[in-house]
Amino acid sequence: EVQLVESGGGLVQPGGSLRLSCAASGFTFNYYAMSWVRQAPGKGLEWVSAISGSGGSTNYADSVKGRFTVSRDKSKNTLYLQMNGLRAADTAVYYCARQPFGSGTHDYWGPGTPVTVSS
Amino acid sequence: QSALTQPASVSGSPGQSITMSCTGTSNDVGGYNYVSWYQQHLGKAPKLMIYDVSKRPSGVSNRFSGSKSGNTASLTISGLQAEDEADYYCSSYTSSSTYVFGTGTKVTVL
Repeated sequence: EVQLVESGGGLVQPGGSLRLSCAASGFTFNYYAMSWVRQAPGKGLEWVSAISGSGGSTNYADSVKGRFTVSRDKSKNTLYLQMNGLRAADTAVYYCARQPFGSGTHDYWGPGTPVTVSS
Repeated sequence: QSALTQPASVSGSPGQSITMSCTGTSNDVGGYNYVSWYQQHLGKAPKLMIYDVSKRPSGVSNRFSGSKSGNTASLTISGLQAEDEADYYCSSYTSSSTYVFGTGTKVTVL
């Protein structure tokens, strides 16, 4: 059974940093690209970042480019999102999601981890 | 990248069919057959309902169907049921090798 479980969310002050993790199980982790998607309170979904299966290719939304870094550790079957220079607008539930090869979709999602940026 | 445009709400009675739209540009919806639809119940993670415009994942009811014409994709729910009441989001791959989501549609079963 495919499982994705995010962790690392919490309360952080503006300008601070946080690292999110997404533990993957039930599939061959390095065969799949992965994405981070966020949802601000009461708002819609926003794609944040993606990383290829090998980790050699990454992409970011303009809203986080230069502040967030996505990475993965295949020995730990874990996806990461390093978030620096956090702003109030980054307050959201952050989901990790799996991207099947050859398909532009996200087929499995974790339950999400909440991030609140506030003083 | 601007969000794809969806109607804010759609409603129907049990047993009826409803259709919601998702409008983008030639750089996303119109340029790729990589449109997906997600169902999200309150407080839950999104669930994939349709991918690659019209394909259904295993386990998703055949009451859900997708299509696309030009820069607009559509999701149809036939035989509407109470459990279909949720928010629905479309998504597309883009020419910038990123993804863009729609503004979301709230489905109400009357």
